[in-house]
Amino acid sequence: DTEVTQTPKHLVMGMTNKKSLKCEQHMGHRAMYWYKQKAKKPPELMFVYSYEKLSINESVPSRFSPECPNSSLLNLHLHALQPEDSALYLCASSQDKGGAQQETQYFGPGTRLLVL
Amino acid sequence: ELKVEQNPLFLSMQEGKNYTIYCNYSTTSDRLYWYRQDPGKSLESLFVLLSNGAVKQEGRLMASLDTKARLSTLHITAAVHDLSATYFCAVDYNNNDMRFGAGTRLTVKP
Repeated sequence: DTEVTQTPKHLVMGMTNKKSLKCEQHMGHRAMYWYKQKAKKPPELMFVYSYEKLSINESVPSRFSPECPNSSLLNLHLHALQPEDSALYLCASSQDKGGAQQETQYFGPGTRLLVL
Repeated sequence: ELKVEQNPLFLSMQEGKNYTIYCNYSTTSDRLYWYRQDPGKSLESLFVLLSNGAVKQEGRLMASLDTKARLSTLHITAAVHDLSATYFCAVDYNNNDMRFGAGTRLTVKP
């Protein structure tokens, strides 16, 4: 099973709403990632969890709050977003071998978010 | 800070022709990845290049890595329409911190 799943596929929310994006993988990967991708742009790394600990936070605004409840699950909690936060949010996972022979990241299908 | 530059950004090819996409990066790294993205879809891993001189081939695509020149290439042989997509290179910057190039939007015409 080389699948990363994400829910929901689409999300429309107002600027005062609170919502969560969910990501799940059952490949035994110990590194999980959130990326933001705007139209016609490359993915931009937001957060990295390694062994369920936040290891990278790329200066993301606090209205985005990641959570890693266990090694298979990754959430992204959204609160008081702005219209410019509308984008495709991609989750990914990979083996984490402490830096040696880093394998590729497997990406989920993404959640397309629209903030009104 | 790491910069990853791809060129060309747009590529229109005739079926049957060959072409190369280039990926330059600005700091030392020996881990480079190529991904494909179809419109409205997620990213699909194509190649993982983990050492200087690495060369990998899959079908009509071949990727190589020269860590001394900080350059990777993705060579397309005898292009077919199904290869139309956006191709991204990505460099592992600092253990799991992966930075992407801007992408090359490839269109293969009959």
